[in-house]
Amino acid sequence: EVQLVESGGGLVQPGRSLRLSCTASGFRFDYYAMHWVRQAPGKGLEWVSGISWNSDSIGYGDSVKGRFIVSRDNAKNSLYLQMNSLRAEDTALYYCAKSHRGGSDYLRAFDYWGQGTLVTVSS
Amino acid sequence: EIVLTQSPGTLSLSPGDRATLSCRASQSVSSPYLAWYQQKPGQAPRLLIYGTFSRATGLPDRFSGSGSGTDFTLTISRLEPEDFAVYYCHQYEISPGTFGQGTKVEVK
Repeated sequence: EVQLVESGGGLVQPGRSLRLSCTASGFRFDYYAMHWVRQAPGKGLEWVSGISWNSDSIGYGDSVKGRFIVSRDNAKNSLYLQMNSLRAEDTALYYCAKSHRGGSDYLRAFDYWGQGTLVTVSS
Repeated sequence: EIVLTQSPGTLSLSPGDRATLSCRASQSVSSPYLAWYQQKPGQAPRLLIYGTFSRATGLPDRFSGSGSGTDFTLTISRLEPEDFAVYYCHQYEISPGTFGQGTKVEVK
């Protein structure tokens, strides 16, 4: 059974940093691109970042480019999101999601999602 | 970035009705790169359709996807009580991947 478990969310002041983690199980983690998708309270979905299976191909949404850094550790079946210079508009539930198929690119649909970790940016 | 516009914003229907949800792209999206998701309150999204037409594993055949270019459609042939939810389209051809704003299918 595929499982994605996010952690690391919480309350943080504007301008500070936070690191999210996602631990995966139930599939060959090192075969699939992985993603972060966020959802502000009461709003729709926003793709944050994606990373290919070997970290060679990485992408970011325009609103986080230059502030967030995605990485992965295939030996630990883990995905990370380093979030710097946080803003109030980064407040959201952050989901970890698995690509629906393998390959060298990160541009994929998402077939499994975690339950999310909530990040609140407020003073 | 490619902007996806979904319509209508809310669809009020009864169980057994046919639901037709639209997703229009600001520029052409190749068919292999359009997906649909369902989200219920308090739950993570669930993949329904990928590659415009392909149903995710275990998805009932009352769900179908169609379209090309800039116009895509998710059709639910006969609504079941568990189908009332919010639906999002998603393009993953050009980075950044983008989602539509969602269509809520509610009980009339």
